[in-house]
Amino acid sequence: QQQVKQSPQSLIVQKGGISIINCAYENTAFDYFPWYQQFPGKGPALLIAIRPDVSEKKEGRFTISFNKSAKQFSLHIMDSQPGDSATYFCAALYNFNKFYFGSGTKLNVKP
Amino acid sequence: NAGVTQTPKFQVLKTGQSMTLQCAQDMNHEYMSWYRQDPGMGLRLIHYSVGAGITDQGEVPNGYNVSRSTTEDFPLRLLSAAPSQTSVYFCASSSYSGANVLTFGAGSRLTVL
Repeated sequence: QQQVKQSPQSLIVQKGGISIINCAYENTAFDYFPWYQQFPGKGPALLIAIRPDVSEKKEGRFTISFNKSAKQFSLHIMDSQPGDSATYFCAALYNFNKFYFGSGTKLNVKP
Repeated sequence: NAGVTQTPKFQVLKTGQSMTLQCAQDMNHEYMSWYRQDPGMGLRLIHYSVGAGITDQGEVPNGYNVSRSTTEDFPLRLLSAAPSQTSVYFCASSSYSGANVLTFGAGSRLTVL
């Protein structure tokens, strides 16, 4: 079964709107939670990451919110732009060596 | 600085054939890994290595072999390809001093007929 559950599968947002992607996990041994961004035909690239001792991390228009008790974390993209249209993956790291990825969210930002 | 280089970019195999997907990195990263990406499944870890001579299994290792004879190279071998192995394969590496940031290659699309 999927160790990290991601939703929604796809998302359409108007330019300037807020995009929100959610992830949930069960294994409390996960200790690092990155988000990766992937454009068509390319490999994923790290967007932003958080450790479980922090509840929020912001980098520019991108924010991770982390709820340790609920075992959930989410990516918020403020002022979404057409250039943000991509597939986004959440992930969780176990034992320093094993990354478990969510199923991905395809974001389409309409001009 | 090339980063992570994967070859070939595209490959078509017949069931039962064998092949090797190549992965090379020039960043002196200790950690290297292979993922497969399938629609609706995200990225799933096949095998990983924490240094030359050391490999271990990920989530979906069956049907795949790896070895790590040098820091730079981490080839993925399919000994007898099956249609279920049709996928896009990504190699990724990271440095343990780099805060677990995975650097991915551009991917290899494999079709098994």
